[in-house]
Formats: sequence, structure tokens, C-alpha cells
Amino acid sequence: IAGITQAPTSQILAAGRRMTLRCTQDMRHNAMYWYRQDLGLGLRLIHYSNTAGTTGKGEVPDGYSVSRANTDDFPLTLASAVPSQTSVYFCASSDSETSGELFFGEGSRLTVL
Amino acid sequence: GIQVEQSPPDLILQEGANSTLRCNFSDSVNNLQWFHQNPWGQLINLFYIPSGTKQNGRLSATTVATERYSLLYISSSQTTDSGVYFCAGGGSMDSSYKLIFGSGTRLLVRP
Repeated sequence: IAGITQAPTSQILAAGRRMTLRCTQDMRHNAMYWYRQDLGLGLRLIHYSNTAGTTGKGEVPDGYSVSRANTDDFPLTLASAVPSQTSVYFCASSDSETSGELFFGEGSRLTVL
Repeated sequence: GIQVEQSPPDLILQEGANSTLRCNFSDSVNNLQWFHQNPWGQLINLFYIPSGTKQNGRLSATTVATERYSLLYISSSQTTDSGVYFCAGGGSMDSSYKLIFGSGTRLLVRP
């Protein structure tokens, strides 16, 4: 069982470039989330989606966009990367029809130079 | 929005010792979870516990929703318990299941 797959695992990116982080889940969870983790700041919610076709803003949405065309995929796009977006990005999913227990992917480490 | 505070921020234990980690939240929650992030960065869900008490092996958790706090107990700690423990809460006024995380408790268990 794969659970949640994120790609790439790690990426170095020049400032100003466009970047899409991919996230796919095979658990048929209705809700999906993107968090970023920075040293000393814990995890902060960027965007979320309660169900396919809907998205919402989290705590730190500026500079990021998401889409939810289907249940399984929830890509995160940085339209024009800046150094402050250097972080570890975690995708997560939950089944809000039952417990809402959150499951995480392995993370994507992004460095913007 | 909801705010989540964890204490202590850092904790060092000798193997075999017990510990209690605390999580306070600023508003009512209907979704409260505890996570462990191991030294390799993996985030593992420990408990979904919006209220009451649960136990899983050497770990147990208690949430007192009316007083807006949750406790995570680690008994007979092992070196593999090292890492960062996060609690996260979701507001009862929010129809989504998005969670807001605390800053974590960094635990080091020494052999």
C-alpha cells in the first residue's frame, strides 16, 4: 500500500522559476492538505481541499496555488519561486467521513536560490 | 483562528523514564491529533483524540475538551522515542478537517 506519494523528494530551484510539487494518494480520502515545515515553526497549512473540485486557503497561502481535479491528486504550484519558500513540504490526506485522522507523505525538500 | 501551544519545547530523558507532554488550544476543537516526527523526518499519526483517553502500548493520550488541553504520556521511554512530537487541533466552528499544528516538543532519549 503506497499511501501518499510525493514528488520530487528534493529539488533545487532558481528564484523566479515555476515549480509544481506533486502529491498522489491511493486511500480514496476526500480531504487533502499541503503543509510547509520550517525550523522552529512547526507545520503551517498552505492550502487544503475538502473534496474534489474544491480548495481553500490555509495559514500561509500567498505565493502558492493548488488544484483538485480528482480525488487522488493534489498538486501544489509555486508560480514564481522566492528564497523564503525554501522549506520542506508535506502533503497529507484524511477521510473526513470517518475520523479525520491525518496521514502524511514523505515530504519534498525545496531549496530556492 | 485556533492557536495551539505545546510544552515543554525540549525534553531530555534517560532511557526508561516516563514523561508527559502538554498541548493547550485557544478555542474549542472537534479534532485533536498527536504526531511523532522521527529523526528521518517521517510524520506518524499517534492518536486521534478529540476527547477522552486512548492507549497504544507505552503511549497514551488524554484530551479534556472542556478545559482545552491534551496530554501525551510516554512510559518506559526508549531511544526510538526520540524525535519531535506535535499536537494539532481543528476548530469546532470549521466545517473542514484542516488542522493547526503546535510548534512541537523535541524529545531526546539517551541510552
